[in-house]
Amino acid sequence: AQKITQTQPGMFVQEKEAVTLDCTYDTSDQSYGLFWYKQPSSGEMIFLIYQGSYDEQNATEGRYSLNFQKARKSANLVISASQLGDSAMYFCAMRELETSGSRLTFGEGTQLTVNP
Amino acid sequence: GAVVSQHPSRVICKSGTSVKIECRSLDFQATTMFWYRQFPKQSLMLMATSNEGSKATYEQGVEKDKFLINHASLTLSTLTVTSAHPEDSSFYICSANVAGIENEQFFGPGTRLTVL
Repeated sequence: AQKITQTQPGMFVQEKEAVTLDCTYDTSDQSYGLFWYKQPSSGEMIFLIYQGSYDEQNATEGRYSLNFQKARKSANLVISASQLGDSAMYFCAMRELETSGSRLTFGEGTQLTVNP
Repeated sequence: GAVVSQHPSRVICKSGTSVKIECRSLDFQATTMFWYRQFPKQSLMLMATSNEGSKATYEQGVEKDKFLINHASLTLSTLTVTSAHPEDSSFYICSANVAGIENEQFFGPGTRLTVL
C-alpha cells in the first residue's frame, strides 16, 4: 500500500483565494512526522510546515496551515491568500520514527497553478 | 535554518564516464545523509541512506556498485554514478538532518545530470 497518497495531480486556484492540497498517509507507527515541501521549477525543495503525530494543535506557518486529522490519517495543506509565486509542485512526506528513523517517504506531488 | 550545498548543480557527461556529486552540510554535522533521485514530473525516490563512517544502506532495486556513496566526514557525502548511461539522466538531490531534531530535514539544491 502507498504510504503517502496525494490524489490531486494538478490544482488551479485564483490569486488571493485559499486552496487545500490533500494528503493521506498509512503507517502503523505511533510516532511519526508529516512534512510539506514546495518545489518550484528550479528544483530546490523548500520546507513549508511540519506536524508531529503527538501534536494536538494543527501546525501553522504564515499563510500555510496543516489540517491534521489523525483518525482519518490525513494531513492536508491549506494555503491562504494564494500568490502567483505559489505556483509550484507540492510534496507531502512522512517520517516514521519507529520503523524508518529519519528517512522521508514522499507522495506523488500536486502541481499547483495560481491564476491571476 | 541549516544549509546543505550540492556540487555541481548541473553536469553533462558522455556515456560510460563516471560522475561525482558532493553533498555538504555547511553549518551542522550530519551523521546521516540521504540521496534521492527524481525523474521529470515524478516524486523523489530514496536511493540510499549515507552513514558517516560506515557503509551506505541502499533501497531495493538500487545498484550499489553503480551508485557509490562515500560519507567520509560529518559534513560531506559523495555520490558517484559509475559508467553512466542515458537512463541515469535525472535530478539527484541530497538531504540531511540534525541528529535528534525530528521536525526538520534540509535539502541540497540538487544536481541535474544529463548523460549523452
